[in-house]
Amino acid sequence: DGGITQSPKYLFRKEGQNVTLSCEQNLNHDAMYWYRQDPGQGLRLIYYSQIVNDFQKGDIAEGYSVSREKKESFPLTVTSAQKNPTAFYLCASSLTGANTGELFFGEGSRLTVL
Amino acid sequence: GIQVEQSPPDLILQEGANSTLRCNFSDSVNNLQWFHQNPWGQLINLFYIPSGTKQNGRLSATTVATERYSLLYISSSQTTDSGVYFCAVDRDNYGQNFVFGPGTRLSVLP
Repeated sequence: DGGITQSPKYLFRKEGQNVTLSCEQNLNHDAMYWYRQDPGQGLRLIYYSQIVNDFQKGDIAEGYSVSREKKESFPLTVTSAQKNPTAFYLCASSLTGANTGELFFGEGSRLTVL
Repeated sequence: GIQVEQSPPDLILQEGANSTLRCNFSDSVNNLQWFHQNPWGQLINLFYIPSGTKQNGRLSATTVATERYSLLYISSSQTTDSGVYFCAVDRDNYGQNFVFGPGTRLSVLP
């Protein structure tokens, strides 16, 4: 079935450690996104990529890094520079171009920093 | 930047009741989506509705782009409708940079 797969679903990390969250899609979408959600809050954009080997910062990119080496994959690294990394992370994808940007989401990765 | 507001923030219904959720946005947009976030955190697409009216079973949505608002109607609510409903609008009108509202938390009681 076509869709977006995020892994791991749950992750625990010690302070000072980097962690990488995986996002893979088989929808043949050009654009991919990472959002962060804090408890009781809406979603905030971290990074997005419209094409392979290119990506742009969103509203809260500090302390995060991404790569887009393949169309299907958009991993997110939460670095030790991120001050409050405990959150729910959601990956999404969409077609590109005007009026075609319907977003589809993965199931999310819940990161807890101990 | 574009601002998105949703009302009400919280809503409690008895099973079988109807409800209307509202999304206001501060600038013109070409793209708008409604999502339902279930208790496990999964975001489910409900409607992609930049303008006009769409219906899907007990749910329907209307967007009046010229007046900068969208409405989500839920009829004959069920306990499985509980969760958080988000609207999201495309801030740069190329379908690639959505900003989300704060959400409406719906609780449907049996």
